[in-house]
Amino acid sequence: GESVGLHLPTLSVQEGDNSIINCAYSNSASDYFIWYKQESGKGPQFIIDIRSNMDKRQGQRVTVLLNKTVKHLSLQIAATQPGDSAVYFCAESPNQAGTALIFGKGTTLSVSS
Amino acid sequence: DAGVIQSPRHEVTEMGQEVTLRCKPISGHNSLFWYRQTMMRGLELLIYFNNNVPIDDSGMPEDRFSAKMPNASFSTLKIQPSEPRDSAVYFCASSFSENYEQYFGPGTRLTVT
Repeated sequence: GESVGLHLPTLSVQEGDNSIINCAYSNSASDYFIWYKQESGKGPQFIIDIRSNMDKRQGQRVTVLLNKTVKHLSLQIAATQPGDSAVYFCAESPNQAGTALIFGKGTTLSVSS
Repeated sequence: DAGVIQSPRHEVTEMGQEVTLRCKPISGHNSLFWYRQTMMRGLELLIYFNNNVPIDDSGMPEDRFSAKMPNASFSTLKIQPSEPRDSAVYFCASSFSENYEQYFGPGTRLTVT
């Protein structure tokens, strides 16, 4: 029978293209945001973070953009490589004592060569 | 630093048996988190500790699940009795505080038959 499970958004790109992965967050008071990458069989790994007093931050081949007006976060990967294939999660920190990071559902990035 | 250490990496057990998952956080981290990941439900926060004290256990599925953190360098997640629907990958993560970047362990893949 048909398997039922989470249907993660999927982004398929060609090697060398730029990738943009989007995330909508829930809490307007959140002041810290993180992108994680999870490869098959591994735990999520930190990629890049950004604080709410910034709207852009760049790392090696990755850029995170933050639009607080519409509560939107994006991760841009330049010159995508097959090794970038993974599930990408955004996470927000609500800046409230007693509240941990809130993770999004994730987006699957598939890179073909 | 060795990172977050989890054991065992794989566990196969029969329904009704007790299962104990173990985690050693990164030294100096004050917060520890237990997550469960399945295809059906994605990444779910089960419980987290600050300074060895449980802060939020609202994600613990039911009384069959329990978690302890007897000291700053060790935590356990116990399932008793285990059921097939508990089959999942269980991740432990640690961070300097609940609102900061979390470092994930490699996970324990639990299969309950």
